Parts: sequence; structure tokens; C-alpha cells
Amino acid sequence: DTEVTQTPKHLVMGMTNKKSLKCEQHMGHRAMYWYKQKAKKPPELMFVYSYEKLSINESVPSRFSPECPNSSLLNLHLHALQPEDSALYLCASRRKGGAYTGELFFGEGSRLTVL
Amino acid sequence: AQTVTQSQPEMSVQEAETVTLSCTYDTSENNYYLFWYKQPPSRQMILVIRQEAYKQQNATENRFSVNFQKAAKSFSLKISDSQLGDTAMYFCAFKIWGAGGTSYGKLTFGQGTILTVHP
Repeated sequence: DTEVTQTPKHLVMGMTNKKSLKCEQHMGHRAMYWYKQKAKKPPELMFVYSYEKLSINESVPSRFSPECPNSSLLNLHLHALQPEDSALYLCASRRKGGAYTGELFFGEGSRLTVL
Repeated sequence: AQTVTQSQPEMSVQEAETVTLSCTYDTSENNYYLFWYKQPPSRQMILVIRQEAYKQQNATENRFSVNFQKAAKSFSLKISDSQLGDTAMYFCAFKIWGAGGTSYGKLTFGQGTILTVHP
């Protein structure tokens, strides 16, 4: 199983809504990532979790709140977003230790539209 | 800080021909990984090829090969026998090798090159 699964694939929300994005992997990877990607642009790193602990926060606004409940699951809680937050949100995971190859495995993304 | 530069925003190639995508990077690190990722219009980012900086031999994966010039900090991707399914945005990416410190977790992307393969 070499998949990173993201749900939902599409999400439309108002600026006052609270919603969550979910990411799951069963590859035993112990590093998980959230990226934000605008059209025809590279992904921008938001957060990195290593062994279920937040290791990198790229100065992301507090309206984005990550959570890593266990080694297989990563959530991104969304609250009071702005229209400019509309983007594709990518989750990725990476093996740590062992046969380390450095590469990230990406999910298909969640397309978020903020009205 | 690491930077990755892709100087070709868009490229096109005829089916069955060969195309080369350019990438340069800047780092003071000696041990690192370089990657080419492909993101088709269906959007899932897929690893195309990986190069460890300590390896002198250029990586190859079927029709994909790289020209890694460590001293020049250059990492180009050659696609041979281009196929329609190669149409995608291609990202060159850099990651420090090793553990410890927040910078080791980061994957730095270039701006991307949109490749279109024409029939």
C-alpha cells in the first residue's frame, strides 16, 4: 500500500464555517506534511509533523490548525478562512529511518473554495 | 537557505522526441537529495526520479534520466521518447540529507515547468 488518501476531494465553505481536511497513510511513515498549492505554482509548505509532534510551522495563520492524532492520520482544521485561502491542499508523508530515501509521497489533494 | 530555479516556465515537444528540463539550485550543504516530481492535470504529485548528491552516477528510470553536475549545481531532466501521458507540470526539488534540525524536514520546490507533449 503506497497511498496517501485525502478527504474530501472538494470542499466549499463560507468564511464563518468550521471544516476539516483529513489525510491518512498506512505506509508506516512517521513524517507527515501539509502543503498549500495555488494554480500553476509550486506547493508551499505549511506544517510538518515528525513522530506525531509538530516540528515545522511555516508561520501559518492560526485559522489553520493542524492535528496529528496518531502516526497514520493528519488533520487540518479550518476556521474563519478568507477567500485567498482557496487552493489545493496537499498532504504528504515520508519514511524516517530504515531504508530512507528522502522522497515525499503525496495525496491527490483537497480542493478548497472559500466563498 | 536553499533555492531551486527552473528557468523554463513552459515547454512543448512532439510525441516520440526528446526534451530536457533545466534546474539549478543553490546550497551550502554537501549531502542532499534532488528530485523531479511530475504533477499531471489530475493533480497528484508523483516522483519521477531521485538523485543522491554523494552519487556521481546519474540516475535513470526507464525513459527518464538526469544530468547531475554537482559543482555547477545543475540537475536537468531528460525525457526520451516523449509520450502524451508525460504532459504535466514538472517540479525540481531539493532536500537536505540527514536528521536533526527543522531544515532537514523541508522539501524545497522550484517554480515548475509545464510540459506539453503534442501528437
